[in-house]
Amino acid sequence: EAQVTQNPRYLITVTGKKLTVTCSQNMNHEYMSWYRQDPGLGLRQIYYSMNVEVTDKGDVPEGYKVSRKEKRNFPLILESPSPNQTSLYFCASSLSGQDWANYGYTFGSGTRLTVV
Amino acid sequence: SQQGEEDPQALSIQEGENATMNCSYKTSINNLQWYRQNSGRGLVHLILIRSNEREKHSGRLRVTLDTSKKSSSLLITASRAADTASYFCATDYGDDMRFGAGTRLTVKP
Repeated sequence: EAQVTQNPRYLITVTGKKLTVTCSQNMNHEYMSWYRQDPGLGLRQIYYSMNVEVTDKGDVPEGYKVSRKEKRNFPLILESPSPNQTSLYFCASSLSGQDWANYGYTFGSGTRLTVV
Repeated sequence: SQQGEEDPQALSIQEGENATMNCSYKTSINNLQWYRQNSGRGLVHLILIRSNEREKHSGRLRVTLDTSKKSSSLLITASRAADTASYFCATDYGDDMRFGAGTRLTVKP
């Protein structure tokens, strides 16, 4: 089944403890992106990647890192999480950077992160 | 920053009624997409309308686009309880796609 898989689904952590949220897609998509969703703010883009080894900042990149060493994986790294990073996170992918214009994104099921 | 803004923020209707949600945006776009999100789950792509199209249908969904008013509407006809979800518009202005804050639709049985 074609899908975007995020892990974990739920995570509670403490301030300052490094964590990684994994994202993997099995559709050979070139484009991948991370969003955070907060009440009343919709989805805001954190980072995106047009292809392997190519990453760019989105609207809210502060406090986050990403890497794209292989096409299928796009992990989101929080080096020193803070409570304001408590949010619902989504990974998304599309065949190419322009393919969203034809088919839209495929989203993962989300990771609910709580930083205390 | 958000590009699309949905209206209303919340909508509650009875099963069988039609539901209309609106999306307004600020700058020229290449296309506009509508997504659905069940509570706490990932977004699912519903329908896409290009900037040179005015209306599009998919099953019980009808989307219109008015580029002169920079607005779009999503109509769900003969709604069902299973349509209860949040609906987001996403605007593609070339470099990337921007999502609005969504309309929360509740369909009562």
